[in-house]
This record gives sequence, C-alpha cells and structure tokens, in this order.
Amino acid sequence: QSALTQPASVSGSPGQAITIACTGTSGDIGFYKYVSWYQHHPGKAPKLIIYDVDSRPSGVSNRFSGSKSDSTASLTISGLQSEDEADYYCSSYTRMSTVVFGGGTKLTVL
Amino acid sequence: QVQMVQSGGEVKKTGASVKVSCKASGYTFRTYGITWVRQAPGQGLEWLGWISVYNGKTYYAQNFKGRVTMTADTTTNTVTMELGSLRSDDTAVYFCARGYSGYDFDASYDYWGQGTLVTVSS
Repeated sequence: QSALTQPASVSGSPGQAITIACTGTSGDIGFYKYVSWYQHHPGKAPKLIIYDVDSRPSGVSNRFSGSKSDSTASLTISGLQSEDEADYYCSSYTRMSTVVFGGGTKLTVL
Repeated sequence: QVQMVQSGGEVKKTGASVKVSCKASGYTFRTYGITWVRQAPGQGLEWLGWISVYNGKTYYAQNFKGRVTMTADTTTNTVTMELGSLRSDDTAVYFCARGYSGYDFDASYDYWGQGTLVTVSS
C-alpha cells in the first residue's frame, strides 16, 4: 500500500486560508469516507483534527475543515494563526482493511 | 481524563525483537481499540496495525505482517506491540493511539501516547 500523496510544504500569512490536498486511489480515499487529518508539532503526539472526511472532534477549532472529491481529500485552514505552524498528515482506510498515511505537509505561517 | 502511557526508550541490536507497551486509563478499556504508528527520523507517520481490545482481533500493515504482534491485557489495561527481526530502518518513535469511535476497527485516533524511541544498531 503506497502512501497517500501530499505536498511537502505550504505556507500562508496570518489571517489567510490555505488548503492541503491529499491524493489517494480508488482503493482508499476514492472508495471510503474514512479520511482523517492530524496536526503534528515535532516532539509531541499527533492531534486528530478531522475524521470521516469532514467531521471535527469536540474542541477542535472550526477554522479547520475537510472535504473530498473522488480520490483527493483536502484540509482547509482559515484565519491562519502562528500556532497552526506544524506538520499535517492525512490518512485513509483502505480496501485491505488497513490504514495508510500521507507523507506529511509542513505548514509555515509567514 | 484519558491517558495513554508508553514504556521507555529501547536500544536493540539488528535481528533482535522489541516490546513496547501502552497503558491506558480514564476510560473503559475494552470499548476502544488501539493502533500503533511510527515515525522514523525525518520521515512521516507510518501505520503498523490495530488491535480490537474487545475481541483481540488484529489487523497488520502488509509491510509488517510476520514481524509484528499486538496483544491486549484487559487485567492491566495494557496493549503491547512486539516487532521482531529488527533492522536499522526500524529506528523510530513508536506511538500507540486509541480509536476514536469505539468500533471493531477505527481509522481515526484521538488519544495518543507520548511516543517511545526505539533505536536499532549493529
């Protein structure tokens, strides 16, 4: 199972919105509604920010939103803040009854 | 509050095995399954597998089948991951994490352990 494809890096200025794409296949993102997104500050544990494509766990800011079209999922962060600077990972359930992660995207807040 | 506390760092020789434990507290242990995810230095997250604490059923990533074993002990609320035939590229921080929804298989994980560094060298 190959990793999902994410851009290595994205950047934005405070207050702006950015979108991170996550591309999979018909065997994972394209077939299932089980896409998650994690925020990971180096040295800390990852934090679940989106599950089931577009749902937010309790306590996660509504500045984070998720969507999916065909085999590509997207994470949008609006109203960028300095504390949003982190690595972001997508993941998806697969038809092999496993989970695959994306390679990660480093978000820089300029 | 929910806590996942992992065992301490390990240094192992190539070809050896390592066991990493994850002790859960603050919730009904049997209700939620546990996954293991690792991050090698400078790399991204990699999913190793999942164990349903309720019935002990396991799902392993193809890359690790035959080398990884996950077990759950409901008397101590602890899940253990054993990785064998260690290679230098198994050097990584290993995380346990709880399934979000409490289903037989969860693809989203909400509470994570602090991570355990496993170093493999010859």
